Amino acid sequence: AQTVTQSQPEMSVQEAETVTLSCTYDTSENNYYLFWYKQPPSRQMILVIRQEAYKQQNATENRFSVNFQKAAKSFSLKISDSQLGDTAMYFCAFMKLNSGNTPLVFGKGTRLSVIA
Amino acid sequence: DTAVSQTPKYLVTQMGNDKSIKCEQNLGHDTMYWYKQDSKKFLKIMFSYNNKELIINETVPNRFSPKSPDKAHLNLHINSLELGDSAVYFCASSHGGTYHEQYFGPGTRLTVT
Repeated sequence: AQTVTQSQPEMSVQEAETVTLSCTYDTSENNYYLFWYKQPPSRQMILVIRQEAYKQQNATENRFSVNFQKAAKSFSLKISDSQLGDTAMYFCAFMKLNSGNTPLVFGKGTRLSVIA
Repeated sequence: DTAVSQTPKYLVTQMGNDKSIKCEQNLGHDTMYWYKQDSKKFLKIMFSYNNKELIINETVPNRFSPKSPDKAHLNLHINSLELGDSAVYFCASSHGGTYHEQYFGPGTRLTVT
């Protein structure tokens, strides 16, 4: 079974600064996807960024980027130029690739507060 | 033109009652899911349906029964509600193939008193 660990229950960052959220996972699978989801107070789950395990290049989406270390099973999220709207719960998630669709396995989340 | 919708968004009920949560997606996806988010914000898969067939059923009490009348709908019926069922329930859907993003509904906050 796969497990996802987020070791930082809460973090805070000053507006315009950079923050990194940690995520490690455990799996015996070789083909999988990793995701970061954002859940603001509205509770809507919003996909922030996706990484395919077979790709060595780290994914980036505007101010969001990941540091994917497959051998270390580490998948951290870096948020640059933090904005007040980035305040939310952030969940790291794992999905193994299969012939069919497989559900997401989530970490316990990191609550990020961006301070003005 | 909401992609994944859930009704109701809030549900307050008493112990012992039976309630249903409805989910509909208009994305043409063939797989739908129910996730439960507990009071500590932990999200966990409950069920997964593919083309109206149950393919994943995690360790969930028999009081929970999903029903998929067609590919666009996956409803969750809960019998004999208990205090511990209080949570936010998310419906999600995805398409097969090489693109695996799951789209989430807005969630239903269930409170059992």
